[in-house]
Amino acid sequence: GAGVSQSPSNKVTEKGKDVELRCDPISGHTALYWYRQSLGQGLEFLIYFQGNSAPDKSGLPSDRFSAERTGGSVSTLTIQRTQQEDSAVYLCASSFIDRDRGYQPQHFGDGTRLSIL
Amino acid sequence: AQKITQTQPGMFVQEKEAVTLDCTYDTSDPSYGLFWYKQPSSGEMIFLIYQGSYDQQNATEGRYSLNFQKARKSANLVISASQLGDSAMYFCAMRENTGNQFYFGTGTSLTVIP
Repeated sequence: GAGVSQSPSNKVTEKGKDVELRCDPISGHTALYWYRQSLGQGLEFLIYFQGNSAPDKSGLPSDRFSAERTGGSVSTLTIQRTQQEDSAVYLCASSFIDRDRGYQPQHFGDGTRLSIL
Repeated sequence: AQKITQTQPGMFVQEKEAVTLDCTYDTSDPSYGLFWYKQPSSGEMIFLIYQGSYDQQNATEGRYSLNFQKARKSANLVISASQLGDSAMYFCAMRENTGNQFYFGTGTSLTVIP
């Protein structure tokens, strides 16, 4: 499909386990974002990738969280030693960054619903 | 200070009526973009409308329009002729020219009443 694809759509795991969440952005989009959305809350920025530049990791809540983006395309968000407070929906978005075209909107995936038991 | 403020946690509107969802923003960057997204109960985030800080006219997209008041730093979303399918969470967001992030508000839950 042409949209942002995230997998898995749902993940249930035990506290203390590691999880990997995957995001496949829209082809040609150079910017990729990860957000966390707790129940009934707004979006919490986690990390941003743009082309070959160093990622903006300023939103990662702890060193248990990490992310990488391979080949400028697919990204993986990893949460180590999960805690119950990590339970949330993790949303990925991608965008053009082209200042000549003005600001381009983010296009979101359907998210991964993570539940930590 | 919050970059994006949405002061209406919940709103109700009668079907076929118009509704305004408030959004104020805070930035010292002269160049920025403002966005509105809709999030139905199914969870996907749907882009609705965009306003650039240098745009002279208010943005419009079908039944959506953005009431952009730059001096007041407000970017309210107006939905005309509300439909039952408009019931959802609505998020206002901003991207500054100098930064990478999109800043999101806490959202407004809109319920359209038949």
